[in-house]
Amino acid sequence: GDSVTQMEGPVTLSEEAFLTINCTYTATGYPSLFWYVQYPGEGLQLLLKATKADDKGSNKGFEATYRKETTSFHLEKGSVQVSDSAVYFCALSDPGNYGGSQGNLIFGKGTKLSVKP
Amino acid sequence: DAGITQSPRHKVTETGTPVTLRCHQTENHRYMYWYRQDPGHGLRLIHYSYGVKDTDKGEVSDGYSVSRSKTEDFLLTLESATSSQTSVYFCAISVKRALDTEAFFGQGTRLTVV
Repeated sequence: GDSVTQMEGPVTLSEEAFLTINCTYTATGYPSLFWYVQYPGEGLQLLLKATKADDKGSNKGFEATYRKETTSFHLEKGSVQVSDSAVYFCALSDPGNYGGSQGNLIFGKGTKLSVKP
Repeated sequence: DAGITQSPRHKVTETGTPVTLRCHQTENHRYMYWYRQDPGHGLRLIHYSYGVKDTDKGEVSDGYSVSRSKTEDFLLTLESATSSQTSVYFCAISVKRALDTEAFFGQGTRLTVV
C-alpha cells in the first residue's frame, strides 16, 4: 500500500542554518503531497502542498518540490529561526486510499526540529 | 482551524472503562477522521466518516468504534480502554478543492489509560 518515509529526528540546528528534511513516498496512483507542522501542544497545520509532478509548494520561507522521478518531496528552508522549532510531517493523499474520493492522508512518522539561538 | 473542537482535551481513565471522545465541527463538512498520534508512528487513521451514519475502518480500528448521528459531531468510543490506547487523538475534517483535498485538525485529546 501507499506509504511515506521521512528522515529520523530529532534534528538540531543553529539559528540561520539551512534545513533539509527528506521525504520519499510510495503510491499506486497520483497523490497530492503535503507538509504539516505541529507546534508544541497544538494540532497539525498545513505548511505547504503540491498536487502534481514538478509543482513547488512554498510558505513561510519553506519550500518543497514534487519529484515524481525520485518519488520525493524534501522540505527545505534557507535560514531557520527559533520559532521554526516543531515537528514536521510529510503526508500524501491518494484517492485510492481510505476515505474514498476524498483521499485519506497517510503520514510519515514526523521529524522533530529544534533550533537553538 | 475550520471550526473543529475536540472534547475533552485531557482525560485519565482506568483500564476496562468506556471512554468517548467528541469531535465537533461548525462548517458541515462531509468527511471526518479520527487519528491517533504515537511516538515513532506518526499519525495513524482509526476510523473515518463520509456522512451521517456512514463510517468505515482505518488502519488501526481494533478496540474503537465511532458514531455520527449528526453532520457536526463524530464520536470515538473505546468500549473497554487498555493501556495500549494511551495516546493523543486528533480529529480532522477534509475539504475538497478543485485539484486536491486539504485536511484541518483539531487541537487533540490526550488520553491516559492507567
